[in-house]
Amino acid sequence: GDSVTQMEGPVTLSEEAFLTINCTYTATGYPSLFWYVQYPGEGLQLLLKATKADDKGSNKGFEATYRKETTSFHLEKGSVQVSDSAVYFCALSDRADKLIFGTGTRLQVFP
Amino acid sequence: GAGVSQSPSNKVTEKGKDVELRCDPISGHTALYWYRQSLGQGLEFLIYFQGNSAPDKSGLPSDRFSAERTGGSVSTLTIQRTQQEDSAVYLCASSPPERGGETQYFGPGTRLLVL
Repeated sequence: GDSVTQMEGPVTLSEEAFLTINCTYTATGYPSLFWYVQYPGEGLQLLLKATKADDKGSNKGFEATYRKETTSFHLEKGSVQVSDSAVYFCALSDRADKLIFGTGTRLQVFP
Repeated sequence: GAGVSQSPSNKVTEKGKDVELRCDPISGHTALYWYRQSLGQGLEFLIYFQGNSAPDKSGLPSDRFSAERTGGSVSTLTIQRTQQEDSAVYLCASSPPERGGETQYFGPGTRLLVL
């Protein structure tokens, strides 16, 4: 079945460092891909999405490009802030539109 | 506008008791989803509603779990004879009628603890 694999955390960075969180997927068909974020004490919220190959999703300085050839959707940010500390979930939606999530990656940014 | 709301926010129950969790989706959203977030299992899909019908119940872990949706709006997830492994945060999400890659909007969750 469809699945999402993302890098184990925690990822620990200093403020203004470059961030990459790897995400790869296995799917039949052509899923939409998402990054969701969960800030401490808050609910899940959409960070960005891409619905077809080569699309780039972007929001709040974060970017991810839908790469069909490598089945990847890596999350990047050029300069992280302390306020970016959260758990990041990569996900795909299948034909029924249910979300299949990766295990989540905790990001900790220190000043 | 109002987002997805869930109640109760926290629930502590004794093993063997039944619990009901409620979800109020965003007005006008026809699709509604239940997920479970637990320490050992990450985020798992449970069930999906389109209107009042549930075309995908594949994620319900056992026959102790059931869900219904009435009036194309409110949904209730019922867990019968709760077990300690049911302890988790139960998340509800809704999405608008358009199909294909639509954003799901999540509620704050119900944190269930089974003693």
